Amino acid sequence: DAKTTQPPSMDCAEGRAANLPCNHSTISGNEYVYWYRQIHSQGPQYIIHGLKNNETNEMASLIITEDRKSSTLILPHATLRDTAVYYCIVYDYKLSFGAGTTVTVRA
Amino acid sequence: DTGVSQNPRHKITKRGQNVTFRCDPISEHNRLYWYRQTLGQGPEFLTYFQNEAQLEKSRLLSDRFSAERPKGSFSTLEIQRTEQGDSAMYLCASSLASGGTNEKLFFGSGTQLSVL
Repeated sequence: DAKTTQPPSMDCAEGRAANLPCNHSTISGNEYVYWYRQIHSQGPQYIIHGLKNNETNEMASLIITEDRKSSTLILPHATLRDTAVYYCIVYDYKLSFGAGTTVTVRA
Repeated sequence: DTGVSQNPRHKITKRGQNVTFRCDPISEHNRLYWYRQTLGQGPEFLTYFQNEAQLEKSRLLSDRFSAERPKGSFSTLEIQRTEQGDSAMYLCASSLASGGTNEKLFFGSGTQLSVL
């Protein structure tokens, strides 16, 4: 069962930063937070993951609060191709997907 | 780029027929996962293999479903006596797991099953 809570949808303007929140208040000390996204008719795509420290890669940044009960995925400059369902997952030896956040990037 | 490959991409079958899907993972990935996804929902875990051993099966995996991974390479998922409720996207993923919870899964594009 999913251990995370995400808003069902959000809009973002093209070229602006998209900040996707996620609550995971029951996370355990050794559980990672993973983010995946799924573009229509494709399989989920790995974005980023982290344990305690903030992480950045070529796709996004992940900000995890100090108490680890929530995190934010940041897409720094959203493009139309970033329109997708974004899943925040607490990894407990398998990925358990919730409903995710449907992000629509508008021109 | 040899990502995770799934075949067929689409399968239409009549209720009561058997179907088999194939997944070819990324070479040398030791773990292989099967998920099922229905419209508007996130993927649901079905089962996973560590090499050739099937280590966990979801309660969603009824006795009509069977999965194999002979020799720890490709995997097949068979559904016997298909029902309309089996209509879904079946996703395969693979990973190179070294223990712990630091593991990235790479997904295929899925097989879309329609049971008429």
